[in-house]
Amino acid sequence: GAVVSQHPSRVICKSGTSVKIECRSLDFQATTMFWYRQFPKQSLMLMATSNEGSKATYEQGVEKDKFLINHASLTLSTLTVTSAHPEDSSFYICSARDQLHEKLFFGSGTQLSVL
Amino acid sequence: QKEVEQDPGPLSVPEGAIVSLNCTYSNSAFQYFMWYRQYSRKGPELLMYTYSSGNKEDGRFTAQVDKSSKYISLFIRDSQPSDSATYLCAMKDSGAGSYQLTFGKGTKLSVIP
Repeated sequence: GAVVSQHPSRVICKSGTSVKIECRSLDFQATTMFWYRQFPKQSLMLMATSNEGSKATYEQGVEKDKFLINHASLTLSTLTVTSAHPEDSSFYICSARDQLHEKLFFGSGTQLSVL
Repeated sequence: QKEVEQDPGPLSVPEGAIVSLNCTYSNSAFQYFMWYRQYSRKGPELLMYTYSSGNKEDGRFTAQVDKSSKYISLFIRDSQPSDSATYLCAMKDSGAGSYQLTFGKGTKLSVIP
């Protein structure tokens, strides 16, 4: 089946640093990828929709200058948390749309802890 | 009222029991329904995908959709300890050009050996 690879799985960083998270579709091309945030015991909250070759679409309340998204190829999207602060600590998950089969597959998530 | 309501549980059952997980929704535009399983600190895994009212079976899992009542269910037969996870329902409307899902909060299930 389709696989989405997300790296790193866990990152601990100091306040003020930037963190990049990668999301790759391994055996299908994904023109659309999504980035979510999940707090403990909460559901996934969509942050932004990433479209290959164009600017990402951000959900209301999500700062686009803080959460930079790049979708430069059909198999890779990156989320960069710039100048991270402790309140950015969360579980970040990506998903990729398999357009051929009209299904959505998720990465394994990245636990970000900002000290 | 939230678009998708899902009882967060937790739900604890003995091994071998039949489990029933449910979601209700208010948006009649939702046409596609999914169930995901999420283990702790992992990404969700697609379990079932349906788009019509009625039942769909896959092994020990049965997804049921009732569009008239705006109610979906996931049944797990002969539950196993390995089924212990959080189960998320998700829905999508039939609009073209996007694949944004609306998720329930998830129900945490524990299957006790």
